[in-house]
Amino acid sequence: GAVVSQHPSWVICKSGTSVKIECRSLDFQATTMFWYRQFPKQSLMLMATSNEGSKATYEQGVEKDKFLINHASLTLSTLTVTSAHPEDSSFYICSARGTGIGNTIYFGEGSWLTVV
Amino acid sequence: KQEVTQIPAALSVPEGENLVLNCSFTDSAIYNLQWFRQDPGKGLTSLLLIQSSQREQTSGRLNASLDKSSGRSTLYIAASQPGDSATYLCAVTDSSASKIIFGSGTRLSIRP
Repeated sequence: GAVVSQHPSWVICKSGTSVKIECRSLDFQATTMFWYRQFPKQSLMLMATSNEGSKATYEQGVEKDKFLINHASLTLSTLTVTSAHPEDSSFYICSARGTGIGNTIYFGEGSWLTVV
Repeated sequence: KQEVTQIPAALSVPEGENLVLNCSFTDSAIYNLQWFRQDPGKGLTSLLLIQSSQREQTSGRLNASLDKSSGRSTLYIAASQPGDSATYLCAVTDSSASKIIFGSGTRLSIRP
């Protein structure tokens, strides 16, 4: 089946720095990618939807200048958390939908971000 | 706006019991509904996917039903085992297949 890979799986960064998380579709072209955030013991909340070559569409309450999303190619989307703070510590997970696989959406393994 | 609710939030049962997890959604115009499993600190494992035209799906000891008109789905787990302990998430894909909305999850604990 289709595979979506996220990197890194775990990252620790200092408060005030920026960190980038990558989401790659390994065996299909991902025309649309989704980014979710999950705080401990809570469900996944959709942050934004990105279509290749277009600006991302952010959900209400998500700061687009803080969470920069780039979907420059059909196999890669990146989420950059800028000027990270401890309250940004969370589990970030991406998913992707693409050509040749119907409308099935595949999820990555997720990335744990800890801001200290 | 689609809202997905899961009841109960947490459930603890002894090993061997059959159990039912519930999911409800407010907008019946869906593309499909999925049940996922999430172990602590891990990503998602897809368990069952029911297309909007289907009524149920089965995989091993798991059976998921969908009643689109009433906005409900259930996940039935037969002969529960300690290894079934995890958080179970219900997720609805909207009718345009453009996004997935998750429920809050049910934390399941199976006691040996």
